[in-house]
Amino acid sequence: GAGVSQSPRYKVAKRGQDVALRCDPISGHVSLFWYQQALGQGPEFLTYFQNEAQLDKSGLPSDRFFAERPEGSVSTLKIQRTQKEDSAVYLCASSSQGGGGTEAFFGQGTRLTVV
Amino acid sequence: GENVEQHPSTLSVQEGDSAVIKCTYSDSASNYFPWYKQELGKRPQLIIDIRSNVGEKKDQRIAVTLNKTAKHFSLHITETQPEDSAVYFCAASITGGGNKLTFGTGTQLKVEL
Repeated sequence: GAGVSQSPRYKVAKRGQDVALRCDPISGHVSLFWYQQALGQGPEFLTYFQNEAQLDKSGLPSDRFFAERPEGSVSTLKIQRTQKEDSAVYLCASSSQGGGGTEAFFGQGTRLTVV
Repeated sequence: GENVEQHPSTLSVQEGDSAVIKCTYSDSASNYFPWYKQELGKRPQLIIDIRSNVGEKKDQRIAVTLNKTAKHFSLHITETQPEDSAVYFCAASITGGGNKLTFGTGTQLKVEL
């Protein structure tokens, strides 16, 4: 079956614009994560969902960042009033179980460039 | 929170040689340690993982060792091939404790012919 799918692959936003990034996890996967990967760095945790519940949002850098997964499948990461420092690759990952310790499958990411 | 350090940042080896990448973690509660390979412009992909109740795990040319006392774990790649060239990330997490992965900063491995 299909892996984790993210759209768009590339997004250029003018500073101050709002953006919405979409993640389609592997069907049936309980856990969904968002990570931010700056150039030359490892992914950094943003937020975690177990089904539709957002259990951890400790990594969201500011209140301009908002994520949702209303039906426990597709998730959207929204960034309001984008700033240049938001430029990064945003990775979504899903895993089959909620207890952790199982493989997290990553999408190809959305590369956001704020100009 | 958890902090994962990874060394070296770059590693160049000759084809057929071994490569070793080392990571340390700070939170003694961490109990799951995956390694991801990321080729340029592509998604991270799991290559091997280890849990804290195991000291070593091997899968063909790849092995991972874990020292819980010292809080460090290592990736070993033997008989390296050009297709092993990529960025490798170690990570740590606490199962049942939020499950988020804390990643190292990555190692750029280059296998030269």
